[in-house]
Order: sequence, then structure tokens, then C-alpha cells
Amino acid sequence: DADVTQTPRNRITKTGKRIMLECSQTKGHDRMYWYRQDPGLGLRLIYYSFDVKDINKGEISDGYSVSRQAQAKFSLSLESAIPNQTALYFCATSDKGGLETQYFGPGTRLLVL
Amino acid sequence: AQSVTQLDSQVPVFEEAPVELRCNYSSSVSVYLFWYVQYPNQGLQLLLKYLSGSTLVESINGFEAEFNKSQTSFHLRKPSVHISDTAEYFCAVSSNTNAGKSTFGDGTTLTVKP
Repeated sequence: DADVTQTPRNRITKTGKRIMLECSQTKGHDRMYWYRQDPGLGLRLIYYSFDVKDINKGEISDGYSVSRQAQAKFSLSLESAIPNQTALYFCATSDKGGLETQYFGPGTRLLVL
Repeated sequence: AQSVTQLDSQVPVFEEAPVELRCNYSSSVSVYLFWYVQYPNQGLQLLLKYLSGSTLVESINGFEAEFNKSQTSFHLRKPSVHISDTAEYFCAVSSNTNAGKSTFGDGTTLTVKP
């Protein structure tokens, strides 16, 4: 089984709808991250969490919110989806510290019409 | 603040040719450097990383990267590529400051042609 799973893998929604993307990990890591990937822009950090009670905004948090339900679960919500949130979204986990490898989920491809 | 610049957005090469994917970074503190690879329709996975010690690091599939502090570079090389190396490659930098977060480059798409 994969260490980091994301659901759904693909989603089409309409402008104005609320949508939640879910992430679960079995690596036992404290740190979890949400990124979005757009062509030519690499990965941009949306939110990150260093433990269940520690949630922080990344560089592009506007229009998004997160919830850390448990050490293993970190969900991303789009409160009112808009077309420029169409992207590939990745969840990642890591152990403590900047020298630690990040482990990525398979991604969720989101299309907002 | 830390930043990463990948100097080539696309690199097409023929099979069995050598390749170099270039990465420069900027940081005011000591850094850790990573190369991740993303195969089509998959998430990123670690290819290799530099934490300390020997400046030349290698992956299990023949890639290597050299940390050059004076030139603030961490270029990725492979002497002979395979079709299966076709993927997007991301360079990333982190440190023990900046809350240990990683900053990723924009990616380089390596396309290996037969």
C-alpha cells in the first residue's frame, strides 16, 4: 500500500462549489504539506502543518483552508472554487527538520469549470 | 529567504547521450539540496540529496549531482540516458531555518528520444 494517499484522484467541479481534497499517510510523520502544481510554475506551498495543533499558511493560501484531523490526515478545502484553482494538487509528508525527504502522494487533478 | 532557479525548462536528448540539468540556489544560510523526479501521472519522489560531507552524491539509477558552494549550484548529470528517464525533474532547497520548509524550482522536463 502507498505511504501517502490522496482522494479523489480526479475531480471536476463548478465555480462557487465547496470541495475537499483528502490526504492520509502511514509513515508516522508529524509534518504534512499541501502544494499545487501548475505548468511551468513548479510546486507552490499552500499550507503546512508540523503537528495536529500547528497549521501555517504557505505562499498561496488565499481561497484555501485546511484541517489536520489527526497525525495521519490532512485535508484541503476550496471554500468557493474558481477556475484559476484548476491545477494538480499534491500532499506530502516529512519527518522533522529541513534535511528530511518529503514523500508525495499521487496527486489530485482538479478542474474548475 | 531561499530560492531555486532551474535554468532549463525543457531538455531534449537522444537515448544514450549524456545530460545535465542545471540548478542554482540562493540562501543566506547553510542549505540542504534535493533532486526529485516526477514520472508521468505520478507524484514526486526523491532522486538524491546533499546534506553534508562529500559534495558528489549519486542515485541508484546512475544520476549524480555535485554541490558547488562557490557557484551555488547543484547540477544533475547522467552519462548515458535511457528512454525511461523521461520525466520532470525538480531541484529543491531547504535549511534548518525557514521552518525547515523546502523551496522547489520550476522543474525541467527531460525528454529522451530514441
